[in-house]
Amino acid sequence: GQNIDQPTEMTATEGAIVQINCTYQTSGFNGLFWYQQHAGEAPTFLSYNVLDGLEEKGRFSSFLSRSKGYSYLLLKELQMKDSASYLCAVRTNTNAGKSTFGDGTTLTVKP
Amino acid sequence: DADVTQTPRNRITKTGKRIMLECSQTKGHDRMYWYRQDPGLGLRLIYYSFDVKDINKGEISDGYSVSRQAQAKFSLSLESAIPNQTALYFCATSDNYEQYFGPGTRLTVT
Repeated sequence: GQNIDQPTEMTATEGAIVQINCTYQTSGFNGLFWYQQHAGEAPTFLSYNVLDGLEEKGRFSSFLSRSKGYSYLLLKELQMKDSASYLCAVRTNTNAGKSTFGDGTTLTVKP
Repeated sequence: DADVTQTPRNRITKTGKRIMLECSQTKGHDRMYWYRQDPGLGLRLIYYSFDVKDINKGEISDGYSVSRQAQAKFSLSLESAIPNQTALYFCATSDNYEQYFGPGTRLTVT
C-alpha cells in the first residue's frame, strides 16, 4: 500500500508565499501529481514530477525528492482565489495511470 | 461542452434502492476511474478501467459495481444503497498522466 501525508490545513496572507508539503511511502514510484480543488468542485491538475528537482509553472512550482519520499507545492504571490484544497497523488509503476491520493491540504488565504 | 460529464449532478435516494451514476467523456481516453470523496478523506478509488474489456477494483469497491459500455462511457451502480454511501462521487479519465475529472455527483442516501 501507499502512505501519503499532507498537513490538513494551512493559512497564509494574500501576496505571500506558502509551501505545502507531501510525504509518501511507496514501492515502484512512477510520478507525483498535485491537484487543486475548490470547495464542491472537481479537482484540476496543477503539476507532475517524476524526476528529482523543481518544476516551475507561473506562480506555482513543485519539487520532488524521490530518495526522501518528499514533495512540496510552492505558491507565490498568493491571491484570494488560491483558497482551495491541494491534493497530492502518487502513481506507481504497477498499473501505470492509477494514482493514490492524499487527504488534501485546505489552504485559506486571508487579506 | 465539458470534456467529462456526469449525470445526475445531485441525487437523493432511499436505503435499499438501486442507483446508477453515469459518466461520459469526449477526450478519447482509454482510462476511466470512479472515486468517492468524503469530508476530510480525500479521493478514494472505487473502480477503474484501462480499456473497454478491462475492469479493476479499487480500494473501496464493496457495495459498488461498474460497467464500461464503450470507450466513452463508464457507469457506477449501487445495487442496494446504504446511508454510509452518502458522498460526492467523481468520474475521471486519463491518457497515462494527469486525470481529468467530471463535475461530480452529490449522492444522499436516507
